[in-house]
Amino acid sequence: DTGVSQDPRHKITKRGQNVTFRCDPISEHNRLYWYRQTLGQGPEFLTYFQNEAQLEKSRLLSDRFSAERPKGSFSTLEIQRTEQGDSAMYLCASSLPQDGGDTKEGKPPLHFGNGTRLTVT
Amino acid sequence: RKEVEQDPGPFNVPEGATVAFNCTYSNSASQSFFWYRQDCRKEPKLLMSVYSSGNEDGRFTAQLNRASQYISLLIRDSKLSDSATYLCVVKFWYSSASKIIFGSGTRLSIRP
Repeated sequence: DTGVSQDPRHKITKRGQNVTFRCDPISEHNRLYWYRQTLGQGPEFLTYFQNEAQLEKSRLLSDRFSAERPKGSFSTLEIQRTEQGDSAMYLCASSLPQDGGDTKEGKPPLHFGNGTRLTVT
Repeated sequence: RKEVEQDPGPFNVPEGATVAFNCTYSNSASQSFFWYRQDCRKEPKLLMSVYSSGNEDGRFTAQLNRASQYISLLIRDSKLSDSATYLCVVKFWYSSASKIIFGSGTRLSIRP
């Protein structure tokens, strides 16, 4: 189990630039989630995929944000024309659909990557 | 109103103390519940699931009250290493999809 990996770990960019982050989920996981977390807050849901299909997008995801998972494996999150308010930790997580059911196995519903910390100056 | 609400803290307690956190959720269709732990500048990691009958894992006890729509986490004999942010997580299913919502977290600081 190589875990969920995200790249880059840190990104500093100037306002107005575009940035793209990558997430590689655990190989057998068909669900992939993107969350955003700012200081003092819990992770906020952005979007999730089941295989290559994007099943849900949060209202937080403005038109400047787009996510893809073209082959149902890795995913990218792009932010266009970055703003200072986009500065946050972007977390990717993966799971199997049945993980997190009310069973005694206690499988975590989400396995997180280390995150990409974005700073927009 | 937020779907999952927690007292942000911080809770500052001495080593060896017992501390309890509550979390309330608004969606009665919520079906699975978890506590995650997050250390500073790290990703969240599962601490424990919360079962309908309540469950215990060493010094940690989790309880679920569906009628009042809250879950709790009790930490006994707290250690310095318990200092972290504790995130309440609720999962519910609708149609063929699921939604996983995090609370804003409760900060815990254990002092020597």
